[in-house]
Amino acid sequence: SQQGEEDPQALSIQEGENATMNCSYKTSINNLQWYRQNSGRGLVHLILIRSNEREKHSGRLRVTLDTSKKSSSLLITASRAADTASYFCATDVPGANSKLTFGKGITLSVRP
Amino acid sequence: NAGVTQTPKFQVLKTGQSMTLQCAQDMNHNSMYWYRQDPGMGLRLIYYSASEGTTDKGEVPNGYNVSRLNKREFSLRLESAAPSQTSVYFCASRGGPQIPPYEQYFGPGTRLTVT
Repeated sequence: SQQGEEDPQALSIQEGENATMNCSYKTSINNLQWYRQNSGRGLVHLILIRSNEREKHSGRLRVTLDTSKKSSSLLITASRAADTASYFCATDVPGANSKLTFGKGITLSVRP
Repeated sequence: NAGVTQTPKFQVLKTGQSMTLQCAQDMNHNSMYWYRQDPGMGLRLIYYSASEGTTDKGEVPNGYNVSRLNKREFSLRLESAAPSQTSVYFCASRGGPQIPPYEQYFGPGTRLTVT
């Protein structure tokens, strides 16, 4: 897998259900970040989790990080139609001179 | 605060024409980035500037040049546009190497079509 690879590529759920998205990476990281992109717009930062953290919450978002498995998951609870978007994980790697590496993204569709 | 602004929003070029995409941020960030986004390819880094006075190649620099004009502004130039450069271009910024904020702030994008 490449650095910051999301799974699944596409997800379709009913409004009110939970959405779980996964990200795997290859090297050690300083932190891992999740972004959302609505159609035709720029990316918006959702949440950042540091390498020494295991879980973080922000509103309906819950992010977990397992550095032993080099993986992270993003859980959106009680999804809404407005959550329909693409979601990207990005890794901040030591020595990368301020670069982030983005995955190819997950397309989430929430049906009303 | 306007955040990250990009101009133009849309552009159509003929093959061989040149143009400069402009980006500015008003958050006093040190690092700035140019990405392109194509269907199924995710975001690919073209060039970045970790701090004022420095620029470095990213993953797909061929056919592009950049200028970090000052701390606020980072421009991307296409010297001789090719159809393969048809894409959506995003500028982004963040604090800097080991400097918060660590997340990136993105502009609204420039939709470029090369015919």
